[in-house]
Amino acid sequence: GDSVTQTEGQVALSEEDFLTIHCNYSASGYPALFWYVQYPGEGPQFLFRASRDKEKGSSRGFEATYDKGTTSFHLRKASVQESDSAVYYCALGESSFNKLTFGAGTRLAVCP
Amino acid sequence: DTTVKQNPRYKLARVGKPVNLICSQTMNHDTMYWYQKKPNQAPKLLLFYYDKILNREADTFEKFQSSRPNNSFCSLYIGSAGLEYSAMYLCASSRTGTYAEQFFGPGTRLTVL
Repeated sequence: GDSVTQTEGQVALSEEDFLTIHCNYSASGYPALFWYVQYPGEGPQFLFRASRDKEKGSSRGFEATYDKGTTSFHLRKASVQESDSAVYYCALGESSFNKLTFGAGTRLAVCP
Repeated sequence: DTTVKQNPRYKLARVGKPVNLICSQTMNHDTMYWYQKKPNQAPKLLLFYYDKILNREADTFEKFQSSRPNNSFCSLYIGSAGLEYSAMYLCASSRTGTYAEQFFGPGTRLTVL
């Protein structure tokens, strides 16, 4: 079945550091790829998506590029802030019923 | 209002007893989903309603039931809770449309003792 692997379980950075969270997927079809972010006490919220090869998704300074060749959708941000501290989920989505398959999440802690 | 509400936020249940969790949304979304989230694991889709049609994932087919009395409400029902059901349960909804985003509630933390 389809699966998503996030390499880093936890990431600790200082403010203004560069962020990379690695996401690789395995899918039989041609899925869309998503990033969701979850703040404490809240449910995951949509960050952005990409639905075709080489498409870049972005929001709030975060970005990721769909790479079908390497089956990856790595999340990057040039300069993180303390308010970016959260759990980040990579997910792949089916076109039918918008079903999502999530990765296990990466907890980002940013220190001032 | 893009809020998905879940009640209760915390639920304590005894082994062998039933559990009913409630979710509501006012966005008139066609599809509502239930996920189970355990520590250090990915959120796992349990089932979803598209309009009035229930779709349950194959590996959790017999463990969970659900109802959707109207477009706004959806419940998740466990007939006989076991220790393995302790988890966070997340409800989400989405509109019709290819790759539409899902809107999540804050979750219900279920502890089975």
